Amino acid sequence: ELKVEQNPLFLSMQEGKNYTIYCNYSTTSDRLYWYRQDPGKSLESLFVLLSNGAVKQEGRLMASLDTKARLSTLHITAAVHDLSATYFCAVLNAGKSTFGDGTTLTVKP
Amino acid sequence: GAVVSQHPSWVICKSGTSVKIECRSLDFQATTMFWYRQFPKQSLMLMATSNEGSKATYEQGVEKDKFLINHASLTLSTLTVTSAHPEDSSFYICSASDRDSYEQYFGPGTRLTVT
Repeated sequence: ELKVEQNPLFLSMQEGKNYTIYCNYSTTSDRLYWYRQDPGKSLESLFVLLSNGAVKQEGRLMASLDTKARLSTLHITAAVHDLSATYFCAVLNAGKSTFGDGTTLTVKP
Repeated sequence: GAVVSQHPSWVICKSGTSVKIECRSLDFQATTMFWYRQFPKQSLMLMATSNEGSKATYEQGVEKDKFLINHASLTLSTLTVTSAHPEDSSFYICSASDRDSYEQYFGPGTRLTVT
């Protein structure tokens, strides 16, 4: 059974600071996704990572994938309040996605 | 492009009644649709995967007779919660993917409250 572990589960950080969210998974994966969820809303796709060494960046967020270590990271640079949300990684295996527990990020002024 | 809609966005029903939730891909053909359930402050749990024209594949622990899924066309899948109970109250989210895409496109979700 595929397991996906995210850490930390809760993250409170000040504006302007940097931090990294980690996503570990237990078996080989076809691809890895990062999503954002705002309270009461559905998921917004952030990144799709397809291969070892993949790195994608959008604004203050950068995601990377190390398939050998079965690890993906989501790095936040110079956080701003608008980034406050819950972030999920999800791993695709055998045609279906398994989600991590999510990281709830709060960015304080 | 790649928009998925859900209807209704929220619904309140009484115990013992049935509720149908629709999931539509508006601008692409969804060969596969997924139904998830999310309880407050928890992650998404996959309930079932459906491919157009074939029976849905349910995850372990999901009652197929209670959660009826139909994927009758390449743009529509429905989830019917039969004989709903208060413990079925949750946020139900569908997603869809097409044959060529790496992405799953998520609908806006349906909040079900059973009283």
